[in-house]
Amino acid sequence: DSGVTQTPKHLITATGQRVTLRCSPRSGDLSVYWYQQSLDQGLQFLIQYYNGEERAKGNILERFSAQQFPDLHSELNLSSLELGDSALYFCASSLSGGELFFGEGSRLTVL
Amino acid sequence: AQTVTQSQPEMSVQEAETVTLSCTYDTSESDYYLFWYKQPPSRQMILVIRQEAYKQQNATENRFSVNFQKAAKSFSLKISDSQLGDAAMYFCAYRSYNAGNMLTFGGGTRLMVKP
Repeated sequence: DSGVTQTPKHLITATGQRVTLRCSPRSGDLSVYWYQQSLDQGLQFLIQYYNGEERAKGNILERFSAQQFPDLHSELNLSSLELGDSALYFCASSLSGGELFFGEGSRLTVL
Repeated sequence: AQTVTQSQPEMSVQEAETVTLSCTYDTSESDYYLFWYKQPPSRQMILVIRQEAYKQQNATENRFSVNFQKAAKSFSLKISDSQLGDAAMYFCAYRSYNAGNMLTFGGGTRLMVKP
């Protein structure tokens, strides 16, 4: 158990819909990262937050957005969903300068 | 931008034998970290081993060791005495020393272990 909690574990929705994925980092970790893993591919970095502020942005679509709240949990919002958005979305957390600890991922299926 | 390349989409090893997974990366930085992560069928990302670029000594964790060649920008993972539980996807990852811990991943190598 990495200490990073992601909900929901599985989500099935339709094209055009909007979903929110939630991540609770390990206790004390200030940084949260979101990654997308499409089928049998590597992890693509989406976005990073540090103590509530956006720190780095990767290849995140404009239809996607994220935020980190004062209690340090983070949410990834995916809107106007397309079939190609079906993937495993990982959240990871770290203390500044430390290694990343990953959650178990949220599997999104868009039908 | 840094890139990480894993040239072996799939590898196979006999149980109890040794296998080496390859990874190369491209960077202009001198200080960085390299990692190998394991992703079993459960899809959990598990850190296997890490290497700091400023350290010349290769990292070792039990049956897992790396061959870090900084000049060649190569970072291979050796698994000794392979076990059935080692079957998984393995990802090589790069992290810049100063880039806020963002990891750049390679495309992965699927390791199969034959009994």
